[in-house]
Amino acid sequence: AQSVTQPDIHITVSEGASLELRCNYSYGATPYLFWYVQSPGQGLQLLLKYFSGDTLVQGIKGFEAEFKRSQSSFNLRKPSVHWSDAAEYFCAVGALRRIKAAGNKLTFGGGTRVLVKP
Amino acid sequence: SQTIHQWPATLVQPVGSPLSLECTVEGTSNPNLYWYRQAAGRGLQLLFYSIGIDQISSEVPQNLSASRPQDRQFILSSKKLLLSDSGFYLCAWSIGGTSTDTQYFGPGTRLTVL
Repeated sequence: AQSVTQPDIHITVSEGASLELRCNYSYGATPYLFWYVQSPGQGLQLLLKYFSGDTLVQGIKGFEAEFKRSQSSFNLRKPSVHWSDAAEYFCAVGALRRIKAAGNKLTFGGGTRVLVKP
Repeated sequence: SQTIHQWPATLVQPVGSPLSLECTVEGTSNPNLYWYRQAAGRGLQLLFYSIGIDQISSEVPQNLSASRPQDRQFILSSKKLLLSDSGFYLCAWSIGGTSTDTQYFGPGTRLTVL
């Protein structure tokens, strides 16, 4: 069964500092990986995704993530954090399936809440 | 472009009362649809997914049920709510039929059971 671990429940970072959020996944087949962001009381917004190809993926809002197969990781980074980046971040893993009947389900990590200090 | 709607946005219900949450998607046909629950301080738990009308799969045994009476409508229901049903309910959709579908989420419904 697939699983996702986000080891850090909370991270506090100063505005302008760099941010890195960790994500480790477990899946036997070829994974596809996502990072979503959730502002308080809101739905989830897709930041970026990795399916194949270049292992460094660029997303919206200045975020990037690097897929490292050997470490089963897909860490999210941002060089300089803005106060508006305070939110909860979710990593998710899905499987490459070729039939609609599988439903393309995703497994989410527990989330990392990011607090930004002025 | 595609949009996803959920209503109501917030709901406060007594224990033992029924529940109906609605999700609709616009701008696409034959989507995969999903219901998730997010309990306070916890991650997302997939409750149901649907690949077509009247085709519902349940991921966890529980007090809830789902229905898909129309192609782009997904309903989450309960006959009698429990305190443990409180949480934030998210509906999501993805393009059906491809193997690398991104899921897009609605704004969510905050349910409080008292």
